[in-house]
This record gives sequence, C-alpha cells and structure tokens, in this order.
Amino acid sequence: GAVVSQHPSWVICKSGTSVKIECRSLDFQATTMFWYRQFPKQSLMLMATSNEGSKATYEQGVEKDKFLINHASLTLSTLTVTSAHPEDSSFYICSALDRSGNTIYFGEGSWLTVV
Amino acid sequence: QKEVEQNSGPLSVPEGAIASLNCTYSDRGSQSFFWYRQYSGKSPELIMSIYSNGDKEDGRFTAQLNKASQYVSLLIRDSQPSDSATYLCAGSNDMRFGAGTRLTVKP
Repeated sequence: GAVVSQHPSWVICKSGTSVKIECRSLDFQATTMFWYRQFPKQSLMLMATSNEGSKATYEQGVEKDKFLINHASLTLSTLTVTSAHPEDSSFYICSALDRSGNTIYFGEGSWLTVV
Repeated sequence: QKEVEQNSGPLSVPEGAIASLNCTYSDRGSQSFFWYRQYSGKSPELIMSIYSNGDKEDGRFTAQLNKASQYVSLLIRDSQPSDSATYLCAGSNDMRFGAGTRLTVKP
C-alpha cells in the first residue's frame, strides 16, 4: 500500500531552538497534506492543512509563525517548530491525500521532546 | 463543528463477537470517508475508505455508508484482542478527528 514517511521519528532539541519535521509521500503524489499534534492520552488535533504550492491553512489557535509549514512539492511537506519550548513536546503526525482524493494515509509520526 | 461526529463511547466486546462503530456526518462535501485504527503511542493506520453508498468488505472489516441517513459505520467480525485500539472516522473534506471510539476486545 501507499506509504507516507516522516523524519525524524524521534528528536530532542534544546529550548529556544528550531526543529524541522519532514513528511514524504513515497509512492504517490499528494496535493494536500495535513499536520497533527497529539499529546499523551488525548485526541489528534489538526494543526494545519497544506496544499502544494500555496500557503497552509491553520486551525484556530495554532500560531502560524511558530509552526511553519512548507509544501514545496507534491511529495514533500515540512513542519518547522520555531523557538521550541517544553510545552511543544508532543507527537507530531502528518497525513497525505492522494490525487484521486479517495485515500488519506498517515505517516509514522515524530516524537518531539524539548528540554 | 466537525463534519463527522463519532458519538459512541468506549466499547467492550468479547473475543469472537461483532464490534459495531458508528459515525454521523453533516453535509460539507466529503466524497470519501475513512476509518482508521490507532494503537496507543502509534500513528493512525488506514483500515478502509468508502465513497460509494452501501457496504464495502475487506476481510473481517465491513464499512457501510448511508448517504440518505448520513452515517458511516464499521463492523468488525470475529473481534480479536489485537483489535483493541481507538478507532477514528473522518471525511475527505474535514480531516479533524474527535476522541474516537476506544474498543476493547476481551479474551
């Protein structure tokens, strides 16, 4: 089946630094990708929807200047957490919509720990 | 408000039973609906997508879409303890999730 790959799977960064997470659709072109955050024992929270070649649409309450999303190609979207703080520590997950619009696949997720 | 609402609370079934999970949706233009399974600490995995009215079967799983009544459901036959997870549904036009349905299959 189709695969969405996220990198890195685990990352630890120092408070105040920035960290980039990549989301790649490996065997299909994704016109739309979604970014989520999930805290332990809580629901998936949609952060933003990104469409290839255009600006991401952020959900209410999500700071677009803190969570920078770039979707420069049909197979790659990146999420950059800028000036990370310990409260940004979470599980970040992307998903990708294939061009048929019929299927959305999730990446494996990226665990971010800010120390 | 989300397009797709998952109203059922935690569900517990004995091993071998049928588990029935349900979602209702408002008309926001989604053409496809998806069922995902998420184990604790893991990313959701796609179980099935459905876009045609009626039933779609894949192994022990059957997804049902009823456009007239605006609901989408998932049946799991011969439930196994390994099916214990949180199940999530969403529409292609609104990929926001609720808490999902926590399924426990008891041996």
